Amino acid sequence: EITMTQSPATLSVSPGQSATVSCRASQSIGTNLAWYQQKPGQAPRVLIYGASTRATGVPVRFSGSGYGRDFSLTISSLQSEDFAVYFCQQYNDWPPWTFGRGTKVEMK
Amino acid sequence: QVTLKESGPALVKPTQTLTLTCTFSGFSLSTYRMRVSWIRQPPNQTLEWLARIDWDNDQFYSPSLRDRLTISKDTSKNQVVLIMTNMDPEDTATYFCARSGGPWNYFDSWGPGMLVTVSS
Repeated sequence: EITMTQSPATLSVSPGQSATVSCRASQSIGTNLAWYQQKPGQAPRVLIYGASTRATGVPVRFSGSGYGRDFSLTISSLQSEDFAVYFCQQYNDWPPWTFGRGTKVEMK
Repeated sequence: QVTLKESGPALVKPTQTLTLTCTFSGFSLSTYRMRVSWIRQPPNQTLEWLARIDWDNDQFYSPSLRDRLTISKDTSKNQVVLIMTNMDPEDTATYFCARSGGPWNYFDSWGPGMLVTVSS
C-alpha cells in the first residue's frame, strides 16, 4: 500500500498571497496523482489530475507539479473561497487508492 | 450533468450490518470504463477508499476491510450498494460514493456524503 505524506498540516496565508502544499509518495507513482479541495460539510472536489492537469472549471490560479514521489499544489493569489482542506490521492498502485492526511489552508 | 447521492441509515448499532445505496444519474455503469467507489471520512480525518465496482462488474476492496464489505450494482436502477458487516463505533464516518471514468482512477464526481453513526 502506498502512503501519501502531506505537509504542512496547516498553512496560514493572507488573502492575495500564494500557498504551496506538498505531497510525497512512499514509492514512485509517475504522474498518477490528483488533488482535491474540501470545504466544511461538503464532498471533495477534484482540482488537478495527472499531477498537473486542471479539472474542468478549476481556476488557473491552481497549479500542480511533480513526478515520481514528490508533488506540489500551488494556489497563487489566494481568494476567500480557497480557504479549505486539500488532499492528494495516488492512483498508480491499487487497490487501495490512498489519500494524504490533508492540509488545511487557513486565513492568516 | 453527473450526480450521485448516498442513502441509508444514519444510525446503526454495534455488530449490525450497514447497507448503503448510491443512486446516480448522468452516466451509465454499463458504459466502458465507468466505475463507482465508496470512500469514507471519519470526523476531522482523512479519506479512506473502501470498495469499487466497474462497468464489467469487476469488484475491488480495501485489503484491510475486504472481509466485511460487499459491493454490487443494479445497472437498470443506476444504483450501487455497499454492505458492511459487523459495524463498530470506529466505523462512524461520512460515507461518500464517487465516480471515476476513462483511463484514470481519480474521482471526478462525488455524492454529498452521509454521516453514519455507530452507537448503541
